[in-house]
Amino acid sequence: GENVEQHPSTLSVQEGDSAVIKCTYSDSASNYFPWYKQELGKRPQLIIDIRSNVGEKKDQRIAVTLNKTAKHFSLHITETQPEDSAVYFCAASMAGSSNTGKLIFGQGTTLQVKP
Amino acid sequence: EPEVTQTPSHQVTQMGQEVILRCVPISNHLYFYWYRQILGQKVEFLVSFYNNEISEKSEIFDDQFSVERPDGSNFTLKIRSTKLEDSAMYFCASSGRGSRSYNEQFFGPGTRLTVL
Repeated sequence: GENVEQHPSTLSVQEGDSAVIKCTYSDSASNYFPWYKQELGKRPQLIIDIRSNVGEKKDQRIAVTLNKTAKHFSLHITETQPEDSAVYFCAASMAGSSNTGKLIFGQGTTLQVKP
Repeated sequence: EPEVTQTPSHQVTQMGQEVILRCVPISNHLYFYWYRQILGQKVEFLVSFYNNEISEKSEIFDDQFSVERPDGSNFTLKIRSTKLEDSAMYFCASSGRGSRSYNEQFFGPGTRLTVL
């Protein structure tokens, strides 16, 4: 069945360093890949997403890269700040009029940014 | 900015009891979802709903679960006879026309269900 693997499960970095979180998906028909940030006890919030017709997307300090051939996608956070500390989830979906758009989530990465 | 809302924020129930979790999706959205998150685990898809019917459901969504959009604004998840393993955070999400990205799913704040 559909599956998304996410690594690492925990990541600790010093403030100002970069953080990279990687995901692999199983269903080659997936074409939409969002990343969500979830602070403790809060709802998941979309921080960036990418579609399969694009290889890279950047929004200020965050960027996402997609390798369709390898079925990998990664989140890159540069110049990390303590407020970046949270759990980050990757997800994969089949978007389009004939699909339901359900999100299959990875296991999550707990990012700790030390001041 | 419009948000998905959910009530109650926390529901405590006895095993075997029925619970109804309520959601108000963003008003011009067309696709509605329920997900659950067991404490410390990943978010899992339960069901998607479009055009007043279930469009897809997961293995978790068995005969004890049902969804309804009774009045064009609310979207409910009913668990008929709760089990201990139903204890989790339940998130409602919606997407569709009017989103920054058509596929972007907006999540509600969640309902924490505790089954005793």
